Order: sequence, then C-alpha cells, then structure tokens
Amino acid sequence: DTEVTQTPKHLVMGMTNKKSLKCEQHMGHRAMYWYKQKAKKPPELMFVYSYEKLSINESVPSRFSPECPNSSLLNLHLHALQPEDSALYLCASTPRGGLSYNEQFFGPGTRLTVL
Amino acid sequence: RKEVEQDPGPFNVPEGATVAFNCTYSNSASQSFFWYRQDCRKEPKLLMSVYSSGNEDGRFTAQLNRASQYISLLIRDSKLSDSATYLCVVNNEPGSGNTGKLIFGQGTTLQVKP
Repeated sequence: DTEVTQTPKHLVMGMTNKKSLKCEQHMGHRAMYWYKQKAKKPPELMFVYSYEKLSINESVPSRFSPECPNSSLLNLHLHALQPEDSALYLCASTPRGGLSYNEQFFGPGTRLTVL
Repeated sequence: RKEVEQDPGPFNVPEGATVAFNCTYSNSASQSFFWYRQDCRKEPKLLMSVYSSGNEDGRFTAQLNRASQYISLLIRDSKLSDSATYLCVVNNEPGSGNTGKLIFGQGTTLQVKP
C-alpha cells in the first residue's frame, strides 16, 4: 500500500457542528502532517506529528484539534469553525520523523465547506 | 521577502515548447529541494527531488545552485498533460527534535495549448 487516504472527500458543516477528518497511511511512515490549502494558494502547514507525538503546531486556533491514535492514523477534530475555515485539508506523511529531509506524500484531501 | 519565491506565471505555451521555471529560496541552511505538481482541485504530487549535481527524469530537468540559492525546472517538448501548477518546495533544517518543514513557493501555473 503506497498511498495516503483521507475521509471524507467532501464535508459541509455548520458553525456549531463537531466533525472529524481522518487520514491513514500503511507505508510505515513515522511523520504525518496536516495542511490547509485555500484556492490558488500553496498548502499551509498546520500540525506535524513525529513518532506519534505532536512536533509542530503552527499557531493553529484551538477549534482545530489534531490527534494521532497510532502510527498509521491521524485525525483532525473540528469544532465551532468559521466560514473562512472552508478550504482543502491535506494530510501528508514522510518516512522518518525527527531530523527528516524526505519528500512528503500527500493524500487526496478533504474539501471542507463551513456554512 | 517570502522564503521561497517563484516566477509569477501563468505560462501559456504551445505543445512541443520548452519552458523553464525558476525559484529562489532565502534560507541558506535549507537541506532538501523538490518540485511538486498540483492539478486543479487535486493534491500536490512529487514531480522530482532536486540534487546539487542536477538531475533529469525524461523530459524534466532540475538544477540547484546552492551558492545563488536558486532552483530551476526545465520541461522539454511540452505536452497538454503538463498543464498544472508547479510548486517549488524547500525542506528547511528543523529545530532540535523537530521534523523538517516543507516551505512552498506560491506556484507557477503552466497551460500548454494545442
């Protein structure tokens, strides 16, 4: 299995809803990432997990809450989002955590719309 | 100044043309360099890593000049299917205990026309 999968593909939620995005990889990669991408902009890093520990939080608002239950799975819990949070949410993984300079492999993303 | 800067684009070229994209980065401690390709409403996909000695993959050639902090991508014999946004990406030296962070350029859009 050489891919990163993400569910759901599309999500529409209201500002009072709680939802979760899921990312999975079975390549044995030890670092996983969440990015947010707005139209015609590059991906912006949100969180990095290295060896299942939160390594980087790019000052993301607390309405986004990441979770890494095991080395293959990464979740992003969403609560009380704003319409400006509508974007493509991308998950990525890389073979090694720690001091890693490897390329990252991206999942297909979840397109989120907040009403 | 942005950490990674690319040609603004868009580039509109006919099939068969040769097109070159340029990119500069500001952090001299950057360790790894990549070109990613992103199709409309899809995820970024690795096109190629960029090595100091330069590297080629079919019609694609990547060059790195560490002294000038400059990266390039050359596409020869452009195909319609090459139409996409090309992202110049740099992996900076991480802080102690941290995984390296990918820093993305703004991307250059290429449109290859028949």
